Amino acid sequence: KQEVTQIPAALSVPEGENLVLNCSFTDSAIYNLQWFRQDPGKGLTSLLLIQSSQREQTSGRLNASLDKSSGRSTLYIAASQPGDSATYLCAVYSGNTGKLIFGQGTTLQVKP
Amino acid sequence: DVKVTQSSRYLVKRTGEKVFLECVQDMDHENMFWYRQDPGLGLRLIYFSYDVKMKEKGDIPEGYSVSREKKERFSLILESASTNQTSMYLCASSWGAPGETQYFGPGTRLLVL
Repeated sequence: KQEVTQIPAALSVPEGENLVLNCSFTDSAIYNLQWFRQDPGKGLTSLLLIQSSQREQTSGRLNASLDKSSGRSTLYIAASQPGDSATYLCAVYSGNTGKLIFGQGTTLQVKP
Repeated sequence: DVKVTQSSRYLVKRTGEKVFLECVQDMDHENMFWYRQDPGLGLRLIYFSYDVKMKEKGDIPEGYSVSREKKERFSLILESASTNQTSMYLCASSWGAPGETQYFGPGTRLLVL
């Protein structure tokens, strides 16, 4: 059974710092991995999707990497801003289950 | 931009009531999903649908049913609401293969008293 873990559960950094959020999964037979952002009391916003054949994806200050063999992904946020404060969730899609399996998220606070 | 809307942001119901949560997407997506999100448990899939009138059970379908009469609309029904169904309910949609990016609605926070 696929399990997705995100560590740490919470992170607080000063503005301007570069940071890395971690995601690990137990079954490497994935179709893709997705990173989402969730603001308090709101729905999820898709940030990046990495196909299983890819190693990384970039969007603006965000860079996500995927190491399928070791079951790990990282989300790198450059030059963090207070507006980046949110919960970040990763999710893996395994074709044989037809479902997205989510981690529990890392709640990020960027202090001015 | 893709837009997924949910009928209510906040809802308060009594135990035993029948509750309807509605979700509408405007991008002609084939796939629609209902999740619930609880502290410490994360997002869990309740039901999903790959086409009109089709439905598939997710991980926690007990106590819920769904209806998809039109492509753009996916309804979640709590047949007899119970206090353990107090939660945040999130609807999502995607096109094409089920692994494609899912677009989420703003969520409905349901309180069952």
